[in-house]
Amino acid sequence: EVQLLESGGGLAQPGGSLRLSCAASGFTFSTYAMNWVRQAPGKGLEWVSSISDGGGSTYYADSVKGRFTISRDNSKNTLSLQMNGLRADDTAVYYCASGDSSGWYPSSFDYWGQGTLVTVSS
Amino acid sequence: EIVLTQSPGTLSLSPGDRATLSCRASQSVSGSYLAWYQQKPGQAPRLLIYGVSSRATGVPDRFSGSGSGTDFTLTISRLEPEDFAVYYCQQYGNSPPTFGQGTKVEIK
Repeated sequence: EVQLLESGGGLAQPGGSLRLSCAASGFTFSTYAMNWVRQAPGKGLEWVSSISDGGGSTYYADSVKGRFTISRDNSKNTLSLQMNGLRADDTAVYYCASGDSSGWYPSSFDYWGQGTLVTVSS
Repeated sequence: EIVLTQSPGTLSLSPGDRATLSCRASQSVSGSYLAWYQQKPGQAPRLLIYGVSSRATGVPDRFSGSGSGTDFTLTISRLEPEDFAVYYCQQYGNSPPTFGQGTKVEIK
């Protein structure tokens, strides 16, 4: 059974930092591109960032480019999102999601974690 | 980027009804790379349909997808109580991947 378990969310001040992690199990993590998707309270889904299966290619939404960094450790089956320069409009539930079995970007988001809430407020 | 517009915003139907949800793209979606997701309150989204019309693992056959180019449809043939939820379309033929704003299917 595929499992994606996010952690690291919480309250951050504007301009502050947080690091999200996602622990993956139940599939061959190293062969899937991985993604972060967020959802602001009461709003729709917004793609944030993706990373290729080997980690050599990364992609970002314009809204987070230069502030967020996605990374992965295939030896530990973990995905991370370093978030710097946080703003109030970054407040959202952040979901870790696998790509599809092609390993390509972009892709559908086949499996999702339960999400972790990030709140940016003073 | 490709903008996806879903209609209607809310669909009020009864169990057993047929639901037809629309997703229109601002430009043609490359390679028929369009997916649909279901999200229930307090839960993560769940992949229903990928590649316009392929059902994801475990998705009941009352869910079907169709369309091409810029116009896509998700059809639920007979609504079950567990189908009342918000549905999102997503295109992944062009970067960046984008989502529609969602259609809420509510009990009438």
